[in-house]
Amino acid sequence: EPEVTQTPSHQVTQMGQEVILRCVPISNHLYFYWYRQILGQKVEFLVSFYNNEISEKSEIFDDQFSVERPDGSNFTLKIRSTKLEDSAMYFCASSEALRRGARHGYTFGSGTRLTVV
Amino acid sequence: SQELEQSPQSLIVQEGKNLTINCTSSKTLYGLYWYKQKYGEGLIFLMMLQKGGEEKSHEKITAKLDEKKQQSSLHITASQPSHAGIYLCGADTNAGKSTFGDGTTLTVKP
Repeated sequence: EPEVTQTPSHQVTQMGQEVILRCVPISNHLYFYWYRQILGQKVEFLVSFYNNEISEKSEIFDDQFSVERPDGSNFTLKIRSTKLEDSAMYFCASSEALRRGARHGYTFGSGTRLTVV
Repeated sequence: SQELEQSPQSLIVQEGKNLTINCTSSKTLYGLYWYKQKYGEGLIFLMMLQKGGEEKSHEKITAKLDEKKQQSSLHITASQPSHAGIYLCGADTNAGKSTFGDGTTLTVKP
């Protein structure tokens, strides 16, 4: 069964530092996503990415965040100048395609737990 | 913006009992997804429903989407301890954007 792989599984960083969270989507998927889940809260959409550009982003995804697909296999989320409130589980996901507004073959990674101290 | 409401918030059942979790949307759903999550872990995709009236089953879990595409239910038959976890519904609002319910925490007592 193909998987979305995320690294690292845990990351501890000091406030103000930059972090890069890495994801390897499923190889034939075209759409890539980042979500986050603050402990005990809802899963929140951050950003979707298609054809090497951001296709949708939420209000959370401000200038502190950026995404990149640097080499055709990795998909990264960069968080600049981290704050305590950035502590959360960050999930990457990928999907095959969108058909009539819904995603198909949608798979989540197991997440990176980011702790900002 | 689209909101998803899940009910109940938590559920404790005896092993072997059936249970239902509901997910209600304020708007018509393009795609409705059910996931299972163990606390602090990743999301496991269970099922996707797209058409009004659609019903899908996987092992002892059945999910339905109503005709109006605004409500979905997840039904577990003869629950087992392995079914315990947090069940989340998610929906597509626009292409490439999605929202999630708060989750339903299921405990199955042996």
